[in-house]
Amino acid sequence: GDSVTQMEGPVTLSEEAFLTINCTYTATGYPSLFWYVQYPGEGLQLLLKATKADDKGSNKGFEATYRKETTSFHLEKGSVQVSDSAVYFCALSGTGGFKTIFGAGTRLFVKA
Amino acid sequence: DGGITQSPKYLFRKEGQNVTLSCEQNLNHDAMYWYRQDPGQGLRLIYYSQIVNDFQKGDIAEGYSVSREKKESFPLTVTSAQKNPTAFYLCASSIVGQANEKLFFGSGTQLSVL
Repeated sequence: GDSVTQMEGPVTLSEEAFLTINCTYTATGYPSLFWYVQYPGEGLQLLLKATKADDKGSNKGFEATYRKETTSFHLEKGSVQVSDSAVYFCALSGTGGFKTIFGAGTRLFVKA
Repeated sequence: DGGITQSPKYLFRKEGQNVTLSCEQNLNHDAMYWYRQDPGQGLRLIYYSQIVNDFQKGDIAEGYSVSREKKESFPLTVTSAQKNPTAFYLCASSIVGQANEKLFFGSGTQLSVL
């Protein structure tokens, strides 16, 4: 079945460091890909999405490019801030019905 | 402000007890969902509903029940048959429940067993 695999956390970075969180997927068909973010004690909120190959999603300095050849959707940010500390979930949908499939999440800690 | 409201934020269940988690949305969304989140794991779908008076089981429906009597409400009951109920429960909605839609989430309910 369809699945999403993310790099394990936690990831600990200093402020202004470069961030990469790896995400790969297995899916039949052509899914849409998402990154959601969860701040402590809260629900998830959409960070960015891409709906077809080579699309780049971007928001708040975060970017991810839909790479069909490598089945990847890695999240990047050039300079992280303490306020970026959260759990980041990669997800896909649109391959079978409307169900969204989530990765296990990657916790990010950013130190001042 | 439109959004999804979950209550209570914290809930404790005694052995053999059924408990109900509330989820209300004022986004006028047709589709609603319940997810369970365990530490270090992704979200797993419990139940979903695309229209009033209709709902379907997700991947881990055993020990749970839902109703959808109103468009804006989708309560989840954790029954005594659910032997490991301790988790963070998230309610979500989407506009019409079609593929590729983004999900809107509530702030969650943490359920613990006494």
